[in-house]
Order: sequence, then structure tokens, then C-alpha cells
Amino acid sequence: RKEVEQDPGPFNVPEGATVAFNCTYSNSASQSFFWYRQDCRKEPKLLMSVYSSGNEDGRFTAQLNRASQYISLLIRDSKLSDSATYLCVVNTLLMDSNYQLIWGAGTKLIIKP
Amino acid sequence: NAGVTQTPKFQVLKTGQSMTLQCAQDMNHNSMYWYRQDPGMGLRLIYYSASEGTTDKGEVPNGYNVSRLNKREFSLRLESAAPSQTSVYFCASSERALANYGYTFGSGTRLTVV
Repeated sequence: RKEVEQDPGPFNVPEGATVAFNCTYSNSASQSFFWYRQDCRKEPKLLMSVYSSGNEDGRFTAQLNRASQYISLLIRDSKLSDSATYLCVVNTLLMDSNYQLIWGAGTKLIIKP
Repeated sequence: NAGVTQTPKFQVLKTGQSMTLQCAQDMNHNSMYWYRQDPGMGLRLIYYSASEGTTDKGEVPNGYNVSRLNKREFSLRLESAAPSQTSVYFCASSERALANYGYTFGSGTRLTVV
């Protein structure tokens, strides 16, 4: 089982719709969580951190479920410009007090007019 | 407002050739990283430098070496390129090593080894 798993998609969604996707992680010691966005042939860019109580940034809502070990990203009123690959990142504190960032392979989202 | 600058953007190497990927950041970040990204896989850490003067192996260090030249610059060297090293390479930086900070990435180097 991969340490961080994402549905690769693609998710084909009409403009204006709401879309959500999840990311599951295997290490219960994971401490912090992020969503990055990566456009085709570009570098990843931080979209938002994911806080324990859930957080919102405009049309984007991120939630964490520690019991079931997944995080989610919800996009409301989707725009054509939201088309991208969304990467889930999990930060885990190891026994030697170092952190390890594990990246998911990404979920591809295509917004159609 | 450059952020993280990587060179070159594209490179084709023959098996056995060597090359160095350059990376520089102007955000006064302490930590820098080299990742590779392959289709269907998450980013994998090759090497990182928590602070100037230190470097550590990541998940996939074999076949690579790094140099943290100063606080700004972190280079990645392939001594004898192999087809398995065909990938997209990203340099990144952050305020602190592997902690709860967002990373800033360079625009990537697309490397093909034939």
C-alpha cells in the first residue's frame, strides 16, 4: 500500500459544479497536511495547508479526518482555471525527530465549459 | 521576484555522460531540496540541505551528488547518467527543513537520458 494515495482521475467536471477528492495516508503519526496544485508541465505550488478543524480559502475547503486517515479538498463553483493536478502532501515526524514529507501522485481535474 | 531559479530547463544526455543542475533561491530560505517527478508517482526526495553547510540523503539518492555552495545555491550532479534517471527534476526551498512550511519550487528541468 502506498503511504499517500490519491485517485489519479481525471475528474471531468462542468464549470460551476462542486468537486471533491480525497487523499488517504497510512502513517497515523502524520502531523501536517497540505494540498498543492500543479499545472501541466509546471512546478507544484502550495494551495493550502490542512488544519485539524478544517479550513476554507475562498472556494476551496480542506478537511482532515484523523480517525480514518484521509484529507479532502472541496472546490465550489469550479472555474476553467481550476483545471490542474492536485497533489496531497503529508508530513510525518519520524522516530529520529526528523520529518518526512510524502507526496501523493496527484488527482487530475479537468473543468469543462 | 525570482523565487527559485533552475537551469537548464531541458537537457538530453547520453548514457554515461555527466551534468550538473543548478538551483538558486533569493528568499533567504535556510533549506533546499532536490526532487524528481516520474509519471504516476509522487515527488521523491533525492537530497536535501537543511542549512548552509549540510546535506543529507533523501529517498532516492543513488546516482546523484549535491553541493550546497552557499545559502542561495544548491546543485545536483549526475556523475554517470543512466536511462533510469530520465525524469523531471525540481529544486525547492523552505524556511526550515522538512517542517510545516510550504515549499517554493523552481520551474523544473526535463532530463532525458538516451
